Amino acid sequence: DAGVTQSPTHLIKTRGQQVTLRCSPKSGHDTVSWYQQALGQGPQFIFQYYEEEERQRGNFPDRFSGHQFPNYSSELNVNALLLGDSALYLCASSLGRSSPLHFGNGTRLTVT
Amino acid sequence: AQSVTQLGSHVSVSEGALVLLRCNYSSSVPPYLFWYVQYPNQGLQLLLKYTSAATLVKGINGFEAEFKKSETSFHQTKPSAHMSDAAEYFCAVSGGGSGGSNYKLTFGKGTLLTVNP
Repeated sequence: DAGVTQSPTHLIKTRGQQVTLRCSPKSGHDTVSWYQQALGQGPQFIFQYYEEEERQRGNFPDRFSGHQFPNYSSELNVNALLLGDSALYLCASSLGRSSPLHFGNGTRLTVT
Repeated sequence: AQSVTQLGSHVSVSEGALVLLRCNYSSSVPPYLFWYVQYPNQGLQLLLKYTSAATLVKGINGFEAEFKKSETSFHQTKPSAHMSDAAEYFCAVSGGGSGGSNYKLTFGKGTLLTVNP
């Protein structure tokens, strides 16, 4: 049973570019949440998708957007990258909004 | 709004010694509280969860945590540390309510646990 898978594992982008990160939830899960973990910090909530809609959002600018597909997989898009966007981006899936979160291993984004 | 403070960014213990990882929270609603562990280059794994049932919660790998409302704390302990426990530990609080227990988790900055042989 595959857990949460994220791609790519590492990514290097230049300031001003756009990036798309992908997440496949654990089998049987229908809810996907995205978190940003800067170096030496705890994860920060970006947003959560359920039934293909953004249900909750953290304090992140509109440059951060997402999508959930009918198969429950999800994408995180970041436009106009800044140096401060360099971080580990974690995807977590769950069954609904009350079951425990299962995290993927993350995508390490470096913005130069 | 909720917040989490983890006391001690780095805790070092000897193998076989007691592990104590401290967490204080702030929440305007009855909280859901969590401890997660993160090994190098991996995502987070849930250790244990408090959801307003028993105040003493037992988790995986021998960890347990006690919810103390009067102290707004959710400290985690393990009686005897193993080398394999070396990792970073995060305490988290959820806004809960109608959003569900995994609603907008707010994490602390983490405590790095080192276990010395």
